[in-house]
Amino acid sequence: ETGVTQTPRHLVMGMTNKKSLKCEQHLGHNAMYWYKQSAKKPLELMFVYSLEERVENNSVPSRFSPECPNSSHLFLHLHTLQPEDSALYLCASSPTETGEHYGYTFGSGTRLTVV
Amino acid sequence: GESVGLHLPTLSVQEGDNSIINCAYSNSASDYFIWYKQESGKGPQFIIDIRSNMDKRQGQRVTVLLNKTVKHLSLQIAATQPGDSAVYFCAEGYNKLIFGAGTRLAVHP
Repeated sequence: ETGVTQTPRHLVMGMTNKKSLKCEQHLGHNAMYWYKQSAKKPLELMFVYSLEERVENNSVPSRFSPECPNSSHLFLHLHTLQPEDSALYLCASSPTETGEHYGYTFGSGTRLTVV
Repeated sequence: GESVGLHLPTLSVQEGDNSIINCAYSNSASDYFIWYKQESGKGPQFIIDIRSNMDKRQGQRVTVLLNKTVKHLSLQIAATQPGDSAVYFCAEGYNKLIFGAGTRLAVHP
């Protein structure tokens, strides 16, 4: 365990479904991230939260909706997804969002399949 | 624009040999670099990092070399083991991390 826990590990959903991905960190970090990992592509940054405030939204379609109720929890709400949204969704956390870096700690990801 | 790339998509080595994975970066302002290892079914795991005021850093069986003149980063793994088989990512950072595409390391007995 890295200290960043993602649930569920696997998710299969239809294009009309609504589901949520959950991420929880117990590292005392102030910044949390959602990344999308598709085959043969670099990690794509989706959202950044720092101290529960969204600080970055990388032109992500509105069918992905993040929520950060506190500095330990991050959600990604999904609705009316497309098959091309099938990917590994990774959550990460870091001590701070800017300035001195200590690297990101990643969860194990949620493998999402849209059918 | 900013980019981080890897020279080889796949690297095959014999068990016991040394492995070298290379990475090029383009942002000369980047001051922090990390190597991550991602095994099948897992998220990326931190291996080693280096700051721009250094050109070499060693860990357990791993060494990272930074050449700022040519904007090149490498990861050396000594005495490669089957458990080292994974995808390795480099990342460069200034205000945020930018990840490369990854190199798959395959270790053969």
